[in-house]
Formats: sequence, C-alpha cells, structure tokens
Amino acid sequence: ETGVTQTPRHLVMGMTNKKSLKCEQHLGHNAMYWYKQSAKKPLELMFVYSLEERVENNSVPSRFSPECPNSSHLFLHLHTLQPEDSALYLCASSQGGTTNEKLFFGSGTQLSVL
Amino acid sequence: GQQVMQIPQYQHVQEGEDFTTYCNSSTTLSNIQWYKQRPGGHPVFLIQLVKSGEVKKQKRLTFQFGEAKKNSSLHITATQTTDVGTYFCAGSGYNFNKFYFGSGTKLNVKP
Repeated sequence: ETGVTQTPRHLVMGMTNKKSLKCEQHLGHNAMYWYKQSAKKPLELMFVYSLEERVENNSVPSRFSPECPNSSHLFLHLHTLQPEDSALYLCASSQGGTTNEKLFFGSGTQLSVL
Repeated sequence: GQQVMQIPQYQHVQEGEDFTTYCNSSTTLSNIQWYKQRPGGHPVFLIQLVKSGEVKKQKRLTFQFGEAKKNSSLHITATQTTDVGTYFCAGSGYNFNKFYFGSGTKLNVKP
C-alpha cells in the first residue's frame, strides 16, 4: 500500500464511451501526476498538478482531460479514445515544491479501448 | 526535449550472476532516481542520487551517478529470483515536478 489509490483497476471501453479514472492520495502531498505506460515504451508523463494548478501538459491529445479539484484527488476524463490509447495509466504523487522528490505510484488502471 | 536512454532493454541471468543497467541523459540532470516494477505491479522508488559522482549502496544494489550528472548505473551483485522485475531510471532537470523515465531494463533471473 503506497498511500495512492486508483480506481478502477481495469476498464474496457468503446471508442464512443466517456469514462473517468480516479486517483486519491493519503500522503499529504501537493503534487500529482498522470503517467501512461504502454508496452515497449517508457513511462510517458502526461500531466502534472502542483497545488491544484496544472503545471505540465505534455502534448497530450484533447480526448484526455485532467481535473484536480483538491490536492488529494486527481481525475482523468476520457472520451472518444482510440485503440492505441490502450495502456496502463498510473497516477503518482510527490511532496511538491522541491527539486528532489520521489514519486509514489498507485497500482494503475489497465485500460483497453475496443 | 529531455531524453533519458536506458540499456539493455532485457537481461536474462542465472541466479547468482551480476546484473547492470545503464542510463544516459541528453542533458545535465539535477538528480536521478531509480524505480523497480515487479511483474503486474507499479513502479516503486528505490533511491535518489543528487551529487556528481555519488555512489550509494543498498545491500546487493550499487547505484552510481556520473561526474557530469548525465549518466547513471545500477549494479546488482549475485542476483536472486526476488530481483526479477523492470528497473527504471528517472531523470529530473532543474524544473522540478518533471521526471523523465528511461525505457526500463527487464531483468529475468533463472533459478
């Protein structure tokens, strides 16, 4: 248990569906992240929120829409996804505000787009 | 943009053999971190290196950060089956909150 909880663990959706991934951290951290992990590719940084403000949007298609209502919760809203978006989506948190921080990852949501 | 390259992609060893994975960055890093991801699991933080030329040890694991702060290595002595997993390096520039991961080295240890 890392203190970062992601739901659901698995998600299968069609290309016309709308779904949301949820992440919650119980560590008192101020920064939260979405990473995408595909087979044979490095972990790709998608979004970073620091103190609820988005500080990084790493050229992610608009069909992915993040939301950070407070420092403990992070969402990733999905709509009209493509099959190539199938991947493991990992949420992470860190203390925030310093240059040397370690990431605490959730267990991830395994997403399959049909 | 910043890139972190990691080799090898895969490594198969017999239990008891040593293992090393290497990371190289295209730019100078403020720090480098190492993570381990077990099969079916999520990345778990192992260690962070900050200083030029820094060497840290955790039991059978030795981590090094290059003098130019552009490369790093992880060496495991006498591997065990519990070492199986994918090892990632993650470099951070001087813009905090941005960690760039290497592609990972998948280690398989045969008993």
